[in-house]
Order: sequence, then C-alpha cells, then structure tokens
Amino acid sequence: SAVISQKPSRDICQRGTSLTIQCQVDSQVTMMFWYRQQPGQSLTLIATANQGSEATYESGFVIDKFPISRPNLTFSTLTVSNMSPEDSSIYLCSVGGGFSGYEQFFGPGTRLTVL
Amino acid sequence: AQRVTQPEKLLSVFKGAPVELKCNYSYSGSPELFWYVQYSRQRLQLLLRHISRESIKGFTADLNKGETSFHLKKPFAQEEDSAMYYCALSGPRQAGTALIFGKGTTLSVSS
Repeated sequence: SAVISQKPSRDICQRGTSLTIQCQVDSQVTMMFWYRQQPGQSLTLIATANQGSEATYESGFVIDKFPISRPNLTFSTLTVSNMSPEDSSIYLCSVGGGFSGYEQFFGPGTRLTVL
Repeated sequence: AQRVTQPEKLLSVFKGAPVELKCNYSYSGSPELFWYVQYSRQRLQLLLRHISRESIKGFTADLNKGETSFHLKKPFAQEEDSAMYYCALSGPRQAGTALIFGKGTTLSVSS
C-alpha cells in the first residue's frame, strides 16, 4: 500500500490568486494522478503526472490553469491559477496501478474555497 | 464514450435489510471495475474489484458484461456501512491507469 499526504488540507482563497497543493507519497511511484471533486459531483481526472516528463492533461484542463510539477518519484504539486469561485472543489492526488494490481490509493484531499 | 453511471444519489435502508447499489458502465473493450468507499471524515479507499471476485465486509459485486453492470450487494446492511460509494472503471491491465468514477451513491443505514 501507499500512504499519501497532502498540504494544505483546506484553504480559503481570494479570486484571482493562486494556490499550490502538495502531494507526498511514502514510496517511489511512477505515475501520480490529480483529481477534482466539485460539490455534489464525482471525481474528475485533471492530469497524470509522470516523473521526468510533462504532465498529461484531460480534456477541459490546461497547463496554464493547472500547472503540475513532478520533481521526483515521491512528490508532486498542483497549482490552481487565477482562481475563481468555480474552482472551489476538493483536489485529490492518487497513486496506483503499479501497486497490488490496479488499486489506487488516495490522499486525504485539499478542500479549496474561492471567494 | 467511457462512462460510469450510478443512478441513485441516495439509498436509505434499515439495519438488516438487503442493499443493492447500482452501477452501469459504458466502455469499448474489457474494463476493470471497482467499488470505492468513503466513510465520514476518511479518505477514499478501495472496497472491492471484480478481478478478485472477493467479498469484503459482506459486500459482493458481480460483473455482468451482457448488461454492462457491476452492482454492489450486501444481504444484511449494518449501520457502519453508511458511507459514500463510488463505482469506477479503468482501462486494460496496465500499470498506472487512471480511474473513471460514477457520481457516487450515499448509503444511509438506520436502526
């Protein structure tokens, strides 16, 4: 299994500002995923972050809005840029697929509120 | 298009009653199907996966390819089963495949 921590756990931000969310894993992993869970909605994949290469973004998500860093095999950051109230969500990172078959392990999430 | 549908947003049952959480999927190929659960104030975690054909906490789920369904069942619900349940799928067997989630069903079990 993998233990994942995220910082911050929650934040309240002003419109137009940016927030960087950190994700730390207790073991080395090749792929990390960033998801968004908007209020009352399901989890939606934002991007896949591979160490040593550019992140791969899903349709509807762009690098300018959600830049991702992946400096090593245990750490990644997601930045939510130029925030608006529509960005208020829970952001989760996860790892998996290489562990115990196809189980994914999730971080506790970062609850973001944009005023 | 790849899609997971959970038609019920909320399912309320009494303790001891049978439970069935519905999940239908759309995928061209042979997906892997999962049920994830999120208890209050806890992180999302795997409940079970179809390839294991296992029973976890009394829950089972059978993949029906003809009906493209993966319904979650438990014969006798317990209060501690109250949680949010997500059905999810991933692509063919390869490491690091992201999940496609349904919208989730809140299960509420009362005494």
